[in-house]
Amino acid sequence: DTAVSQTPKYLVTQMGNDKSIKCEQNLGHDTMYWYKQDSKKFLKIMFSYNNKELIINETVPNRFSPKSPDKAHLNLHINSLELGDSAVYFCASSNEGSQQYFGPGTRLTVT
Amino acid sequence: QKEVEQDPGPLSVPEGAIVSLNCTYSNSAFQYFMWYRQYSRKGPELLMYTYSSGNKEDGRFTAQVDKSSKYISLCIRDSQPSDSATYLCAMSAYNFGNEKLTFGTGTRLTIIP
Repeated sequence: DTAVSQTPKYLVTQMGNDKSIKCEQNLGHDTMYWYKQDSKKFLKIMFSYNNKELIINETVPNRFSPKSPDKAHLNLHINSLELGDSAVYFCASSNEGSQQYFGPGTRLTVT
Repeated sequence: QKEVEQDPGPLSVPEGAIVSLNCTYSNSAFQYFMWYRQYSRKGPELLMYTYSSGNKEDGRFTAQVDKSSKYISLCIRDSQPSDSATYLCAMSAYNFGNEKLTFGTGTRLTIIP
């Protein structure tokens, strides 16, 4: 059973489009995260939710909007996609005192 | 300057060699230190973690933290081709779990059979 899953795995879209990435975890964790990994493998946190409440919001353009319908799901909606949004987006989850478990990533390519 | 600096490599060594990977950091508030391994086209997975200064050993892997120098390292002994991956150091200040992790840029390692 996959602990943290993401859909889609690959996403190719044109500039200006709006797209969503979905994440689900079956670990019973309270906290979920979105990270962005650029082409140089640098991994940087974007958002974190704890029990559906936003607790970390790094300096991210407001074109990015996370939504947590319940504590097992965290989605990421991106408006007006730009070339610089091309990256791999990772979802992760954790509980206090436990490691963060990462999903397989969504490779977004904006053309 | 990034909070966490890590040589991106790439690093290629023959099978059986000892590999040493390291990171330096500037934020003295960091207390939890982790090493993640990321295979190509996969998500990062936790390899080892250490709280505060000291050493920790797990099989062929040893993690060291020197807070006075703001330096951490990961040593891999008897390296195997299956160790070929990108190794990311990560750090946090207050919590092992529910807190943002600050990552290094990752070192790409290839073990040559």
